[in-house]
Amino acid sequence: NAGVTQTPKFQVLKTGQSMTLQCAQDMNHEYMSWYRQDPGMGLRLIHYSVGAGITDQGEVPNGYNVSRSTTEDFPLRLLSAAPSQTSVYFCASKRQGLSEAFFGQGTRLTVV
Amino acid sequence: AQSVTQLDSQVPVFEEAPVELRCNYSSSVSVYLFWYVQYPNQGLQLLLKYLSGSTLVESINGFEAEFNKSQTSFHLRKPSVHISDTAEYFCAVSDRNTDKLIFGTGTRLQVFP
Repeated sequence: NAGVTQTPKFQVLKTGQSMTLQCAQDMNHEYMSWYRQDPGMGLRLIHYSVGAGITDQGEVPNGYNVSRSTTEDFPLRLLSAAPSQTSVYFCASKRQGLSEAFFGQGTRLTVV
Repeated sequence: AQSVTQLDSQVPVFEEAPVELRCNYSSSVSVYLFWYVQYPNQGLQLLLKYLSGSTLVESINGFEAEFNKSQTSFHLRKPSVHISDTAEYFCAVSDRNTDKLIFGTGTRLQVFP
């Protein structure tokens, strides 16, 4: 049972480069979300999706794009990386309504 | 908008002492409440949750939390901590209408021998 799988685990980017963080879940969960974790700031919601074709912004969406073409996948795109995007990124999924969220192991991104 | 406040960024405690990690939330609608734990260099794991029913919820490793609607709190307690409880603990709230899960800033529990 894989749960929530994030790739890559580590990434170093140069300022201005683009990349996509991958997230896949095999639990048929409707709800998926992306968070960034920074020291002293906890986890902040970037974008979330309540189902295929539906996405919405969280607390800190600027600089990030998402799409949800399938139930299983929810990639996070950085179009032009900035040093302020250096962080640990977590993907999570859950059933809608009365349920807990399951998290991936995280992607540690450094932008130089 | 929902928010979660964890007043203590760090809590140092000696082994076998009791501990309380505080969490307050602001919401005018019905909510689900969670505590997640993050061990070093790992992802988040669910520790316990309040969805409905009894206001006192317990985890398998001795933690408990009590939902207090009048004080909008969901404090986490353990009567006797172990070295292995050293981790960061996050309180989170989910609005029953929007399903968004919002986290507090976390409390780092450091247990000393």
